[in-house]
Amino acid sequence: GQQLNQSPQSMFIQEGEDVSMNCTSSSIFNTWLWYKQDPGEGPVLLIALYKAGELTSNGRLTAQFGITRKDSFLNISASIPSDVGIYFCAGRGGSQGNLIFGKGTKLSVKP
Amino acid sequence: GAVVSQHPSWVICKSGTSVKIECRSLDFQATTMFWYRQFPKQSLMLMATSNEGSKATYEQGVEKDKFLINHASLTLSTLTVTSAHPEDSSFYICSARHRLNTEAFFGQGTRLTVV
Repeated sequence: GQQLNQSPQSMFIQEGEDVSMNCTSSSIFNTWLWYKQDPGEGPVLLIALYKAGELTSNGRLTAQFGITRKDSFLNISASIPSDVGIYFCAGRGGSQGNLIFGKGTKLSVKP
Repeated sequence: GAVVSQHPSWVICKSGTSVKIECRSLDFQATTMFWYRQFPKQSLMLMATSNEGSKATYEQGVEKDKFLINHASLTLSTLTVTSAHPEDSSFYICSARHRLNTEAFFGQGTRLTVV
């Protein structure tokens, strides 16, 4: 079946630093989504990508849909303490297919 | 984004009892709802997909008689964990999607503890 590899598994950074995480899949996706999950809460959608090569920003967050349609990255610039949480990538192979989730990247930010 | 409300946010029940979790889409009609299970420090695992008015489609390894899903209206889906046991303790999360959208929005999750 389809698999998503998300890396890194965890990150410990200083406030103000930039962050980058990525996901690669074993097959082509038509949609890439990035979510953030705070402890005890459901995931919240950050950025949605629909076209290969698409680069989309949401405040300090930027994500790109890889040209090969098998990868995506998420960048966070000038991190702040409230960026702490687990970030998940998710991909979908068809318009109505199920989402496949990565294993998550746990981000810790030191003030 | 769209609002999905999940209730309760946490529940503690005795082993052998059943627990019902509700998932409501507050400002859109959810033609499809998804139920996930998440263990500590792990990713979301899809349990089942339900389309309004149809029987749910369960993922491999998920017991349909134990995890009863009802999607009787376009704004409400329920997950009932029947005869719960301690190993059923987990974080259960629903998500909802309108047929015209590719996005799915998540509820807040329900922490189930079976004692």
